[in-house]
Amino acid sequence: IQMTQSPSSVSASIGDRVTITCRASQGIGNFLNWYQQRPGKAPKLLISDASTLQSDVPSRFSGSGSGTDFTLTITSLQPEDFATYYCQQTFSTFLAFGGGTKVDIK
Amino acid sequence: QLQLQESGRGLVKPSETLSLTCIVSGDSISSTNYYWGWIRQPPGKGLEWIGCMYFFGGTFYNPSLKSRVTISADTSENQFSLNLNSVTAADTAVYYCARQEVRGKYPRGPFDVWGQGTMVTVSS
Repeated sequence: IQMTQSPSSVSASIGDRVTITCRASQGIGNFLNWYQQRPGKAPKLLISDASTLQSDVPSRFSGSGSGTDFTLTITSLQPEDFATYYCQQTFSTFLAFGGGTKVDIK
Repeated sequence: QLQLQESGRGLVKPSETLSLTCIVSGDSISSTNYYWGWIRQPPGKGLEWIGCMYFFGGTFYNPSLKSRVTISADTSENQFSLNLNSVTAADTAVYYCARQEVRGKYPRGPFDVWGQGTMVTVSS
């Protein structure tokens, strides 16, 4: 199963709404996770099972979708949100990541 | 508090074997609830899943690496290891270990806890 993220990068301002899309090459149910990676740091789990927000993640992050099309939305972008975001499917036993989406400052 | 810490040589010669260990504290690798896995990230590139293991049986590997990879457990030290043989410069990366929830005996949960990562360079 191949995971395709878009866009590969996005420039945004503080307070903007940002939407990142992840598409699977075949249906994966809701076995889709989102991670945030800041420069020089390990990835951090934001959302599991397509839409379950982790307890330590701000509510401005949300995830949706099922089957092949998924979305990560950040409402009201904050300075600490400038990072790279990855989706990952866990439906098959080849646990592929998407190519990543870098969110940087406009 | 659960912590994972990668350790191993930071420089490996081409054709040799890359060996890393992930030391787990705050949980047991013999837990029935988790797989334990490895992910890598070449400089400036994205994440690549390497593979994972379940203490009670079951290892899964990235097909592109399967012929060169072994992931195994050391319960006496509560750690698990990665061995990647016949390395080339393309294996230069930051290597992360991580914990993954079991779902129906398969590695279907997210990677919820990660180590800080360790840089491995393949060079003569």
